[in-house]
Amino acid sequence: GNSVTQMEGPVTLSEEAFLTINCTYTATGYPSLFWYVQYPGEGLQLLLKATKADDKGSNKGFEATYRKETTSFHLEKGSVQVSDSAVYFCALSLLEWNKLTFGTGTQLKVEL
Amino acid sequence: DAGVIQSPRHEVTEMGQEVTLRCKPISGHDYLFWYRQTMMRGLELLIYFNNNVPIDDSGMPEDRFSAKMPNASFSTLKIQPSEPRDSAVYFCASSSWDRDPNEQFFGPGTRLTVL
Repeated sequence: GNSVTQMEGPVTLSEEAFLTINCTYTATGYPSLFWYVQYPGEGLQLLLKATKADDKGSNKGFEATYRKETTSFHLEKGSVQVSDSAVYFCALSLLEWNKLTFGTGTQLKVEL
Repeated sequence: DAGVIQSPRHEVTEMGQEVTLRCKPISGHDYLFWYRQTMMRGLELLIYFNNNVPIDDSGMPEDRFSAKMPNASFSTLKIQPSEPRDSAVYFCASSSWDRDPNEQFFGPGTRLTVL
């Protein structure tokens, strides 16, 4: 079946530190890959996406590259801010299904 | 655009009572999704609709749960009878085939507590 595995949280960083949140996937076809973010008390919102191998998605200083050879889509940011504190979800979708399979989420806490 | 609207934002009820959660998707969106989020199980897709028709309800936990979408601007998720293990945050999300069906726009959620 299709699944997404994320690193366990919480991840606690100091402001301006480098962020990596690991995500790997298992899929029967060629999925599109996504990162969603959930700020406290809110619903999820799309952060970035990539639809084919070697694509790089980017938004708000965050980046992730679709690596087919390692079935990975790791989220990175060069310098995190306190306002980035949230839960980050990796997800995949197969074209024929039009629905998302989410990982368990990774909580990020950024401290001053 | 008002975004996805859910009501109520919080619901506290007693075991055995009927609970109805409501969702208004973004105008023009043709996909609607219901999710449940708990600490133990994470984010689970319960059911989704396309053009008001249920497409996949394999995530609905049991017969106590039912969902309807009588028109393009309204959907309900009903639990009858409710149980304490149904306590969770329930999210509604919508998306558009024309834009990208996987770019889902989530509502703020309904926090349900069953005592």
